[in-house]
Amino acid sequence: SQQGEEDPQALSIQEGENATMNCSYKTSINNLQWYRQNSGRGLVHLILIRSNEREKHSGRLRVTLDTSKKSSSLLITASRAADTASYFCATATNNAGNMLTFGGGTRLMVKP
Amino acid sequence: GAVVSQHPSRVICKSGTSVKIECRSLDFQATTMFWYRQFPKQSLMLMATSNEGSKATYEQGVEKDKFLINHASLTLSTLTVTSAHPEDSSFYICSARDPGQHNSPLHFGNGTRLTVT
Repeated sequence: SQQGEEDPQALSIQEGENATMNCSYKTSINNLQWYRQNSGRGLVHLILIRSNEREKHSGRLRVTLDTSKKSSSLLITASRAADTASYFCATATNNAGNMLTFGGGTRLMVKP
Repeated sequence: GAVVSQHPSRVICKSGTSVKIECRSLDFQATTMFWYRQFPKQSLMLMATSNEGSKATYEQGVEKDKFLINHASLTLSTLTVTSAHPEDSSFYICSARDPGQHNSPLHFGNGTRLTVT
């Protein structure tokens, strides 16, 4: 079963706007990671946030983690058409030796 | 940075034939590699964990005789889809983690699009 559930499933915005994607999970985790996938390609790692961290930044990306609510969000600021892709959260659980379980993903379209 | 290479990127085969997909870690040794399957517009589902020098660990519902995994060296894992049928058509992706980096992320291959006719 899916550990992570993401919403929205699809998001369409204009270039320059911010995009926010949310991820919820069910069990305790070691860390949570966000990945990006361009159509028909493999996944590219974006950012990792540990269970004892609450917020992390990387360039135009901002990730938050709320372990009490078992949720995370990914914010992409000042979006660009090149940000169009699917974004997945993935959780590494303590008992699974950091093997990842992926959420359903959010398909983001940024219109120029 | 670490790179995982997957080959082929695309394959079309006839029903009943077998297809082998290769996954190589190019600049690190991976004792463990992961094989995922992805249907259109869906998430990645872990099929199996490939362990160098030992048997692969399959997820529930994945037929080990159908999806043969061999991890004969520290840089190569192969997935063979045996006696392929149209329902096996999917996107298969491998990944590996560099054990030399603490909490390193998974590095993914570019995937293999399998179409069984």
